[in-house]
Formats: sequence, C-alpha cells, structure tokens
Amino acid sequence: NAGVIQTPRHKVTGKGQEATLWCEPISGHSAVFWYRQTIVQGLEFLTYFRNQAPIDDSGMPKERFSAQMPNQSHSTLKIQSTQPQDSAVYLCASSLDEQYFGPGTRLTVL
Amino acid sequence: QQKVQQSPESLIVPEGGMASLNCTSSDRNVDYFWWYRQHSGKSPKMLMSIFSNGEKEEGRFTVHLNKASLHTSLHIRDSQPSDSALYLCAAAHSNYQLIWGSGTKLIIKP
Repeated sequence: NAGVIQTPRHKVTGKGQEATLWCEPISGHSAVFWYRQTIVQGLEFLTYFRNQAPIDDSGMPKERFSAQMPNQSHSTLKIQSTQPQDSAVYLCASSLDEQYFGPGTRLTVL
Repeated sequence: QQKVQQSPESLIVPEGGMASLNCTSSDRNVDYFWWYRQHSGKSPKMLMSIFSNGEKEEGRFTVHLNKASLHTSLHIRDSQPSDSALYLCAAAHSNYQLIWGSGTKLIIKP
C-alpha cells in the first residue's frame, strides 16, 4: 500500500499560469478531500468527493479553482490564472473512516 | 468564527513532562473528534480518535471527551523530543467531513 500519492511534489508557476495537481487515493477509499495549508491560514478545506461524486466545494475559491474526480483512482485540482496568494501546500486525503493524507504538493507562484 | 477552537496556540514542555492540549467545538452536530499530528515538513497523521464520553489511552497518549461540552483534550505523558509537532484537532459529522482547528504547536525541550 503506497498510501495517497500526490504529484508533482513541487510546482513553480508564474503569475497568471495554470497549475494542475494530481491525487491518487488509497485503493478502496470512498472519499477524497482536498485541502491547502499555509502558515498564516492553517489547514483550509477546499472540496471533497464521495464515490467520485462532488459533495461539498464550499471551500473552493469559485472563479479560478476547480476539482474533478473522473474515476476512482485519481482526482485533480486545477487552478487557473494562478496568483501569488495561491502559494501553499495542497494536501489530498482519502478516507474510509480516518483521513490519510498524501505528502502534498508545494505550489509556489512567482 | 472558527468552529473548532484549540488551545494553547503553542506549548513548551520539558522532556519527560506532561503536555496537555485542548479542543472545543461550537458546532453541536459533531459526533466524533480526531487528533492528528503533523511533524515539520510532513503531512498530518491520525494519532487518536474518540467518539464516546470518557477516556481512551494508547501508550503515552490519553484522550478525554466530554460530549456535553463538546470538549476534548489530549495528554502526552513522558514527552519526548520526537513529540514536537503541530497537533491538529478535528470534529466530524457522520458524513465524513472534518472541521479542523488551527492547531497547537508543541515543543519538547531536551
């Protein structure tokens, strides 16, 4: 069991560019969560899927962020027109009961 | 207003001492509490969970829950330098989604 896999581990983009982050949940886990974490804001919920269906995206900045889960083996978080304030560690977690976190993707927007 | 409040924000405990961390939910609909530990540069990992009133002990770690006041506490006895980390409390409805506190930064001084 490789755990939750996130790629890339680090991503640097220029302001205004697009960033796509990938998450492969633990096989058999029915729920997938996306969070972002910064020193200032702490751990912020973005969105989650259960059995691939979007359940709650109340934490997503509506205009530039989108998330999908096209199949049970991966989910993507896309950020369009990245801004410096989007710089953070983006964490994916999968869950049957407790949440298991991936190693995160550190996004830096210059 | 944060629905899950953690205190203190930071805590310094001498090696071998007892660390006590607190967490309270203002959302009366929560059913479960989780404690996660996050070492610097790593992702959060579940430490302990508690669903029923009372106390649960695992090794050096003890968790208390008072459901009437929606207050949980985590106690670490014989604290070790390796216990230095950010401790995150999360409260959950039965629908998997967790409400996260902002964490307590614990430093164990050798």
